[in-house]
Amino acid sequence: RKEVEQDPGPFNVPEGATVAFNCTYSNSASQSFFWYRQDCRKEPKLLMSVYSSGNEDGRFTAQLNRASQYISLLIRDSKLSDSATYLCVVNSYSGGYQKVTFGTGTKLQVIP
Amino acid sequence: DTEVTQTPKHLVMGMTNKKSLKCEQHMGHRAMYWYKQKAKKPPELMFVYSYEKLSINESVPSRFSPECPNSSLLNLHLHALQPEDSALYLCASSQDRGAAKQFFGPGTRLTVL
Repeated sequence: RKEVEQDPGPFNVPEGATVAFNCTYSNSASQSFFWYRQDCRKEPKLLMSVYSSGNEDGRFTAQLNRASQYISLLIRDSKLSDSATYLCVVNSYSGGYQKVTFGTGTKLQVIP
Repeated sequence: DTEVTQTPKHLVMGMTNKKSLKCEQHMGHRAMYWYKQKAKKPPELMFVYSYEKLSINESVPSRFSPECPNSSLLNLHLHALQPEDSALYLCASSQDRGAAKQFFGPGTRLTVL
């Protein structure tokens, strides 16, 4: 089983739709969680951190469920510019450093 | 300045060439990273430098040789690469090696002929 798993998609959604991605992780000692977005042939960019209490940034809402070991990202009112690959990142702290594990990414295509 | 810069943007090299990738950040971050990313795959960690010392080498072949001349610069020296080493090489930095948030540079797209 992969340490961090995501549905690769693609998710093809019309503009204005709501779309949700899930990500599961296997290491129960994982400590911090993030969503990054990566545009085609560009570097990953931090989208948002994910907290147990859930957090929102505009149209984006992230949730963490430690008991079930998954995190989610909800995008409301999708825009064409949201088209990208969304990478789930899970960090564990071991031996004084952060071990960063990327999921394989979920591709989102927002259609006019 | 919240930017990580990398040069060159693109590099084509033969299997006998020696080349170097450069990365620079001026955010005062004390941890810097090299990642390799193949198409449609997530980034894979190669090296971690913390306070200019190599902390982690993820079993990377010796044809890749990292160097950290100072706290702002990170180099990756390449020698005798193979075609399968063609990939996007990403540099990242974080406040220190215990910090979770990493900031990525735009990457160098490397093609080995």
